[in-house]
Amino acid sequence: GAVVSQHPSWVICKSGTSVKIECRSLDFQATTMFWYRQFPKQSLMLMATSNEGSKATYEQGVEKDKFLINHASLTLSTLTVTSAHPEDSSFYICSAPPGTGTRAEAFFGQGTRLTVV
Amino acid sequence: GESVGLHLPTLSVQEGDNSIINCAYSNSASDYFIWYKQESGKGPQFIIDIRSNMDKRQGQRVTVLLNKTVKHLSLQIAATQPGDSAVYFCAESRGGKLIFGQGTELSVKP
Repeated sequence: GAVVSQHPSWVICKSGTSVKIECRSLDFQATTMFWYRQFPKQSLMLMATSNEGSKATYEQGVEKDKFLINHASLTLSTLTVTSAHPEDSSFYICSAPPGTGTRAEAFFGQGTRLTVV
Repeated sequence: GESVGLHLPTLSVQEGDNSIINCAYSNSASDYFIWYKQESGKGPQFIIDIRSNMDKRQGQRVTVLLNKTVKHLSLQIAATQPGDSAVYFCAESRGGKLIFGQGTELSVKP
């Protein structure tokens, strides 16, 4: 096992609004989840690490007040893009770390395509 | 800074030929490397992995080679098929975090 379900798969929002993206572990418990962002034709860039029961750890250059991460339970991590702007339009992906569940590799959610208009 | 990078951003091959995708990394402390395939609009899909104490690992139609001396990683796909068309990323694992390379877009011509 180690199935990660991400929702929604795509969302369009108006500039200035907030969007919440959910990442659920379906058949395992995740104390840690990683959040990545991917711009078109570019690689995945790690944004932050969410930790169940404690504050998220953000990578350098990522605004923690803009990208709110909550790891409320062992099966749910959420990323909220606050006051979204067009430059936040991107593909956001969560993953469980390698070694989670019964498999060695990391497992990724399906991704969320965010478009801010 | 430390990074994982690729030599070729695009690769076009004929169906049935073998494909080789290369990756260079700079952090010698990484002990686990993974190749992912990503199709348009989808999350990365695991292909094959290799630990730093190995230099070769084979899967179904795929082989990963690791050369720690020159910090080079490659993915070989045998008898490439149209369904192999995608972007391929190498990644190195550091404490569970995955640091991704630039990506190579593989295009398979029928």
